[in-house]
Amino acid sequence: QVQLQESGPGLVKPSETLSLTCAVSGYSISSGYYWGWIRQPPGKGLEWIGSIYHSGSTYYNPSLKSRVTISVDTSKNQFSLKLSSVTAADTAVYYCARDRYVDTATPIDYWGQGTLVTVSS
Amino acid sequence: SYVLTQPPSVSVAPGQTARITCGGNNIGSKSVHWYQQKPGQAPVLVVYDDSDRPSGIPERFSGSNSGNTATLTISRVEAGDEADYYCQVWDSSSDHFWVFGGGTKLTVL
Repeated sequence: QVQLQESGPGLVKPSETLSLTCAVSGYSISSGYYWGWIRQPPGKGLEWIGSIYHSGSTYYNPSLKSRVTISVDTSKNQFSLKLSSVTAADTAVYYCARDRYVDTATPIDYWGQGTLVTVSS
Repeated sequence: SYVLTQPPSVSVAPGQTARITCGGNNIGSKSVHWYQQKPGQAPVLVVYDDSDRPSGIPERFSGSNSGNTATLTISRVEAGDEADYYCQVWDSSSDHFWVFGGGTKLTVL
């Protein structure tokens, strides 16, 4: 069974960088899927942030691209998110997930439980 | 960029049929996925590739997609179906990324 677990600070100051890590268990991160991040501001809808392949190939939401970096560590079977210059608008529950299969549009089929990140001084 | 439009809310009585629409330009040419999200929980995939169901999802959940509208249909609605529902497509036009609809709150009366 594929399991994903987000970790990282729950509180980030404005203008600083938000950093989260997703640990994957039950499946090798090097086995054909992209791995992604999705966020959800309180009371609002889902927003896809971006995803990464084990080779390091990435896709980002154009609206966030200038501030987002997603990286992968295959030796630890985990991937990470960095979002720079955060503001209150970046306050959200952040989910990591198993994204689409390479070169397809297969759905996001496994999700982490989500972690709330609040941007506040 | 590609936009998906969902009604903010749909209400239905128990035992009736709920239809949740997802509008997009020529969406019929894309594969549409649908997710159910209950309060405080991560989304769960209920329909993929327009009309297929993942293992464990009741047959009451079905989907269709044609022209400019995709539809999630929930038959014989139960109280436990009350949730937010999101449609999703992969936009491969210029930038390549996932697009979500704004979500529809299904209320079981």
